[in-house]
Amino acid sequence: EAQVTQNPRYLITVTGKKLTVTCSQNMNHEYMSWYRQDPGLGLRQIYYSMNVEVTDKGDVPEGYKVSRKEKRNFPLILESPSPNQTSLYFCASSPRQGDYTEAFFGQGTRLTVV
Amino acid sequence: AQTVTQSQPEMSVQEAETVTLSCTYDTSENNYYLFWYKQPPSRQMILVIRQEAYKQQNATENRFSVNFQKAAKSFSLKISDSQLGDTAMYFCAFMMPPGNTGKLIFGQGTTLQVKP
Repeated sequence: EAQVTQNPRYLITVTGKKLTVTCSQNMNHEYMSWYRQDPGLGLRQIYYSMNVEVTDKGDVPEGYKVSRKEKRNFPLILESPSPNQTSLYFCASSPRQGDYTEAFFGQGTRLTVV
Repeated sequence: AQTVTQSQPEMSVQEAETVTLSCTYDTSENNYYLFWYKQPPSRQMILVIRQEAYKQQNATENRFSVNFQKAAKSFSLKISDSQLGDTAMYFCAFMMPPGNTGKLIFGQGTTLQVKP
């Protein structure tokens, strides 16, 4: 089954404790990205990757890191989480940059930073 | 910079009735894509319908159709014969064509409740 898998689905952590949210897709997609969803703001892009070892900032990259060492994986790293990073996070993938006819979203990760 | 605005935070409709969700956007580009996504309580993001700006014909998908007014930069979603399973948050989104960043720009979302 074609899918994007995020883990964990729920996470509560404390300020400053490094964490990683994993994202994996099994469709050999080139393009992957991370979004955060906040009430009244919709979804905003954090980072994106057009292919292995190619990543770039989206609209709200501060406080986040990503890596793309393998085509299937695109983890989101919070080196020192802060309460303003409490949000719902989505990973998404598509065959190539700009092709959202076949975009797949992960199930979402609800992160709470206390 | 492109922006997307959904001015209706919440809406409700009776089962079997028709409802229209509004979306406006701002761009200086002539070629782009527009989308409506559905997010049910499960949080899954589901693509409902897609419209290419160069196509004058409004897109339709079963009970879902759009009214795309390019000059007015308006992209509303009409849901006919509403069903209880249509209860969800709906997001309007904009994307530049291939050759750009591939970023989706989302509106604030509209929560739709279908009442029995």
